[in-house]
Amino acid sequence: DGGITQSPKYLFRKEGQNVTLSCEQNLNHDAMYWYRQDPGQGLRLIYYSQIVNDFQKGDIAEGYSVSREKKESFPLTVTSAQKNPTAFYLCASSIDSGGLDQPQHFGDGTRLSIL
Amino acid sequence: GQQLNQSPQSMFIQEGEDVSMNCTSSSIFNTWLWYKQDPGEGPVLLIALYKAGELTSNGRLTAQFGITRKDSFLNISASIPSDVGIYFCAGQLGAGGTSYGKLTFGQGTILTVHP
Repeated sequence: DGGITQSPKYLFRKEGQNVTLSCEQNLNHDAMYWYRQDPGQGLRLIYYSQIVNDFQKGDIAEGYSVSREKKESFPLTVTSAQKNPTAFYLCASSIDSGGLDQPQHFGDGTRLSIL
Repeated sequence: GQQLNQSPQSMFIQEGEDVSMNCTSSSIFNTWLWYKQDPGEGPVLLIALYKAGELTSNGRLTAQFGITRKDSFLNISASIPSDVGIYFCAGQLGAGGTSYGKLTFGQGTILTVHP
C-alpha cells in the first residue's frame, strides 16, 4: 500500500537526550513536512523540504533538526535544546507539481513524552 | 504571521442533525483544505478547494471557498456517530516565493455526536 509511515508510534525521552522520529513515504512525493500538535491547538510547522538535500525552517524550528538525504525519508531529531518536547508529531508529504497546489497527506503520528 | 480563526471550538449534536463550521483569515489564501482527525491518528483530507466561490461536495460533506478568499465553511448533513472527531481547516498560499506548500491550520472543531 502507498502511504506515509511514521515510527515509532510512542517515544519517551529522557532529560538531555536527543531522539529521532522516522518518516518514510512511498508516494514518490517531492515535498515533505513536519508538524507539531499540542492539545487545543492547530498544527504548527517545524520544518519542510521541497526536494532532496534541501530543507527550510518552519514557524517553530528551534530545538529541532532534520535531514533529507533520500526522497522517501525525512527524519526529525528532537534535540535537548527543545525544552518542551511533549507533543504529537505529524509528518506529511505532497506532490511538488510546479504551479499547481497539491494537498498534503499525513502519517499517523508519533507521540513523544518526557520521562 | 497568518492566523486562521476556526469556529466553533466544539459541538455536541444529536445523530441526524446537520453541522456547520467555518474558518476566517486575516489574509487571503489560494487553497482551502478541510481535514478530519480521529484520536491518535493523523489528519485525513476531506475536501480541497482551489477557486474562490467554489462549492464542493463529498458525500454528506459540503465545503465552500469564500469569494473574498479569506474564509471557508464546511457543512455535514445528517450526522452519524462515526463523524465524531476533530475537524481542521487549513489555508495554503500556493506555489511561488517562500510560502510554497506551507499550510496554516485553524485550531480545530471537536465534534461529538450523540446516538
